[in-house]
Amino acid sequence: NAGVTQTPKFRVLKTGQSMTLLCAQDMNHEYMYWYRQDPGMGLRLIHYSVGEGTTAKGEVPDGYNVSRLKKQNFLLGLESAAPSQTSVYFCASSQGGDREFGPGTRLTVT
Amino acid sequence: EDQVTQSPEALRLQEGESSSLNCSYTVSGLRGLFWYRQDPGKGPEFLFTLYSAGEEKEKERLKATLTKKESFLHITAPKPEDSATYLCAVQAGYGGATNKLIFGTGTLLAVQP
Repeated sequence: NAGVTQTPKFRVLKTGQSMTLLCAQDMNHEYMYWYRQDPGMGLRLIHYSVGEGTTAKGEVPDGYNVSRLKKQNFLLGLESAAPSQTSVYFCASSQGGDREFGPGTRLTVT
Repeated sequence: EDQVTQSPEALRLQEGESSSLNCSYTVSGLRGLFWYRQDPGKGPEFLFTLYSAGEEKEKERLKATLTKKESFLHITAPKPEDSATYLCAVQAGYGGATNKLIFGTGTLLAVQP
């Protein structure tokens, strides 16, 4: 099993540009999550999904949108990137308990 | 407000020097406490889940314990390969399908040979 994979690994955007981060899992997990990790702030939940076709807001959802059209995929979109969105983004999946995390995407917005 | 605090922020040990990391929490209705290890440039890797006060779990040189207010991650005779950031997270609340985790900011452990 590949576990949780994320695409891309690194990305640099200019302010106002848009992009989509892709997360895929092959464990048939129901729940999927997007987190951001910033120095000194711990992991913060952006959006999550409890099943195919469902999404919900987490702790810091502003400026992001998500979609879960297929059970194995969870997409995170930035419509108009801002420097405050410079961060490391982690996708995770679970069956309700511990999370399986992906390797992360390092995003820089200039 | 639900909160998780980890201490110390950073810890430097000599190889073989045992120590403990602390995770204190204030949550309404603990459903589980999780420990993760995170290596630089990688995603967190699951270590343990503890569900009730008094519970203990072990894995190689690591042992996690839980009380009603805090958890400890004991590291016995650490080796340089144990160097990483250790994250604590709690799952709180009753029922619901969110399964939200509240993460601490981590303890950066460096084990010197």
